[in-house]
Amino acid sequence: QVQLVESGGGVVQPGRSLRLSCVASGFTFSGYDMHMHWVRQAPGKGLEWVAIIWNDETTKYYSESVKGRFTVSRDNSKNTLFLQMDSLRADDTAVYYCARQRHSGSGEYFDYWGQGTLVTVS
Amino acid sequence: QSVLTQPPSVSGAPGQRVTISCTGSSSNIGAGYDVHWYQQLQGTAPKLLIYGNINRPSGVPDRFSASKSGTSASLAITGLQAEDEADYYCQSYDSSVSGYVFGIGTKVTVL
Repeated sequence: QVQLVESGGGVVQPGRSLRLSCVASGFTFSGYDMHMHWVRQAPGKGLEWVAIIWNDETTKYYSESVKGRFTVSRDNSKNTLFLQMDSLRADDTAVYYCARQRHSGSGEYFDYWGQGTLVTVS
Repeated sequence: QSVLTQPPSVSGAPGQRVTISCTGSSSNIGAGYDVHWYQQLQGTAPKLLIYGNINRPSGVPDRFSASKSGTSASLAITGLQAEDEADYYCQSYDSSVSGYVFGIGTKVTVL
């Protein structure tokens, strides 16, 4: 069965960096169309999309709120997704989820989510 | 402020029907992008509930249904059960921000 397991969260001071990981299992991580996302949720708030990386790393997109500060990458040989977070700010405090993308007729959705890892910037 | 508008909360007694609206604009739902719905139980990760506007993944009870029309979509829960108490989020793609957008979430309370 598909599993996504995040790690790397913790407490970090403003302006510092943190790297999150998401280990995938139960599917061909590097397979066609296996694009991966990061989605975050601030405490008591809703979901916010952060970034996408295509299966072959050729394409990456970011939300405006993290563009220029966060970098998404993946190591297909290790079935692992990463999120390098630099210049962290207090409003980056959130639970960060990795999620697998699938296509519908006219859009994309997230069919599997990890359990999340909490990042606190303080 | 979310691009997709949802009511903050809805409630109903066990067995009743509740609906959650998700209102977008011409750059997301109205542009033809599909709407998807997620259920988030307290303290857990979101779970896919509906994809492609109307489709239920395997294992999702058929008391959950959804529709889309124009710039809006809606999720209906019929025969409300205590275990349905959760936060529900709609999601789509928005061409004006070139990214994926969520509604603010709707808390469903079973009275």
